[in-house]
Amino acid sequence: QKEVEQDPGPLSVPEGAIVSLNCTYSNSAFQYFMWYRQYSRKGPELLMYTYSSGNKEDGRFTAQVDKSSKYISLFIRDSQPSDSATYLCAMTRREGGSYIPTFGRGTSLIVHP
Amino acid sequence: GAVVSQHPSWVICKSGTSVKIECRSLDFQATTMFWYRQFPKQSLMLMATSNEGSKATYEQGVEKDKFLINHASLTLSTLTVTSAHPEDSSFYICSARTGYYGYTFGSGTRLTVV
Repeated sequence: QKEVEQDPGPLSVPEGAIVSLNCTYSNSAFQYFMWYRQYSRKGPELLMYTYSSGNKEDGRFTAQVDKSSKYISLFIRDSQPSDSATYLCAMTRREGGSYIPTFGRGTSLIVHP
Repeated sequence: GAVVSQHPSWVICKSGTSVKIECRSLDFQATTMFWYRQFPKQSLMLMATSNEGSKATYEQGVEKDKFLINHASLTLSTLTVTSAHPEDSSFYICSARTGYYGYTFGSGTRLTVV
């Protein structure tokens, strides 16, 4: 079993839909949780980060963490064609003096007009 | 915000030659740099972690003699793919830690070995 599981999709939705992206993890040592967006042939860019269980909202994006279930989600409201990208979840654990990130494989999202 | 500049963005090389990829932190000091490899529709696979002034730590299965990492300064880390072969063709991305949760990525290098 991989430490971080993420459905690769693709997930295809119409413009304006609410999108739900999810990851599960198995290592309870993970402390910080992040979502990255990656356009084709580009480096990932950080969208949101959370530390504790609960919700965090930023514009059309809401990140949710449930540490008891080892489950994190990213919700996108009023999705736009420009949101079409691959979304990677990431989480970090501490090893020695470093925080080591582990990434999900990414979910490909397609928002069609 | 923090910016990591990665060059080249795309390189084609002949089999057997070596290729160097550079990552520079433009407005911050990157004490730790991560190097990833990504195949199409796959996740980022961590290859190695480098700390400025010390030897890189390679992940299991990554050949340290083939993928040479140098992190001689706080603003520059390089990955050299030595004696490249077609199976080394991939997307290589560097990332610098900018906080507990912040990892700023370079724009990636697409390596094609012919």
